[in-house]
Amino acid sequence: DTAVSQTPKYLVTQMGNDKSIKCEQNLGHDTMYWYKQDSKKFLKIMFSYNNKELIINETVPNRFSPKSPDKAHLNLHINSLELGDSAVYFCASSRGGGGIQETQYFGPGTRLLVL
Amino acid sequence: AQKITQTQPGMFVQEKEAVTLDCTYDTSDPSYGLFWYKQPSSGEMIFLIYQGSYDQQNATEGRYSLNFQKARKSANLVISASQLGDSAMYFCAMREGPGGAQKLVFGQGTRLTINP
Repeated sequence: DTAVSQTPKYLVTQMGNDKSIKCEQNLGHDTMYWYKQDSKKFLKIMFSYNNKELIINETVPNRFSPKSPDKAHLNLHINSLELGDSAVYFCASSRGGGGIQETQYFGPGTRLLVL
Repeated sequence: AQKITQTQPGMFVQEKEAVTLDCTYDTSDPSYGLFWYKQPSSGEMIFLIYQGSYDQQNATEGRYSLNFQKARKSANLVISASQLGDSAMYFCAMREGPGGAQKLVFGQGTRLTINP
């Protein structure tokens, strides 16, 4: 019973293409996130959604567009892929409500390689 | 300015020894949360332990404990009786932002290697 799942796990594509990454959580959490981990392992927030509403948009190029069809899903669409987009993208979710309930649980990650 | 600092890029420890991974943070918000995550070579991010800024006692979870020194703004992770499976990247993170719009800010990570 995977709590936070992402598809695909690996994505290899050419520069200029458009691709999507899907995320689903079965934890009943209200908030979902996208993080990017670069080649130096540094993790940075990209977006956050709370109950399908965009809450955080952390100066990400507008080629990246998140979409949350419902509370359990948060997808990431990337247009016109660039070499610098190569990274691992993590989806995460949290219940919210303060304290330890803010703990974020991560999906397995999607390793994107742009050639 | 770096909000979370992990000063040990790599650490090597003998199996069964205890290990302390350092983390210092910077915030002016009186309410914050500190988290530690483990990332093994397989790549997933595993939540280990949480410490709230108002918690009076240091957090513990099995072999993991958090040495929280609020005045020094440090939140070091202590792993007792290390095992080979503890070899991984370890990230310290701080929750920041107003309620409902919170995010995790991560440190650079420490790569821990346990030697047999």
